[in-house]
Amino acid sequence: EIVMTQSPATLSVSPGERATLSCRASQSVSNNLAWYQQKIGQAPRLLIYGASARSTGIPARFSGSGSGTEFTLTISSLQSEDFAVYYCQQYTEWHFTFGPGTKVDIK
Amino acid sequence: QITLKESGPTLVKPTQTLTLTCTFSGFSLRTNGVGVGWIRQPPGKALEWLAFIYWNDDKRYSPSLKSRLTITKDTSKNQVVLTMTNMDPVDTATYYCAHRRYGDPFDYWGQGTLVTVSS
Repeated sequence: EIVMTQSPATLSVSPGERATLSCRASQSVSNNLAWYQQKIGQAPRLLIYGASARSTGIPARFSGSGSGTEFTLTISSLQSEDFAVYYCQQYTEWHFTFGPGTKVDIK
Repeated sequence: QITLKESGPTLVKPTQTLTLTCTFSGFSLRTNGVGVGWIRQPPGKALEWLAFIYWNDDKRYSPSLKSRLTITKDTSKNQVVLTMTNMDPVDTATYYCAHRRYGDPFDYWGQGTLVTVSS
């Protein structure tokens, strides 16, 4: 089973600053990597798929990169609505696993 | 417009079997490449994928929970059903169903339903 890890667990950022979140897979997932944003009391929202493609309606300040086992989500200039928990997920065709999440909070 | 909604009991007793239904609209499980999965989230914790069913009735289960899970579909009713046996308090969580197409992640999610396991 592929294990996903994320770092840091918590990221404190000021509005307008850049945030960089990391995700690592225990074995290669190629580019089958997605990022989700989840706010309290809400279902996760798909941000990025295929490691770097933005989902419909996602602002350009969100970008994803990486392949194989190392991935990054960058939020170029944090807005107030971006403070949330972010999960990465690998989606090979045999099974799907999520990372433990990174909480982005206000510094 | 794709929508999904979970339904089922809010409270189950330990050792009981949980049955959850996902009712969806805006897509069909007769369509090639389409599938529905179940994901859960204990309070304050991370997401955990449970099971997935494809349009062709191919099924996938979390290895750690496989022995307790069954996923089925009723194409005529636009529903997917998840059963989980031998429920325990650690299974207390919000259970989500979600849509995906072959090769893509989960792109549409239901609102989730909180299931509490307690005697």
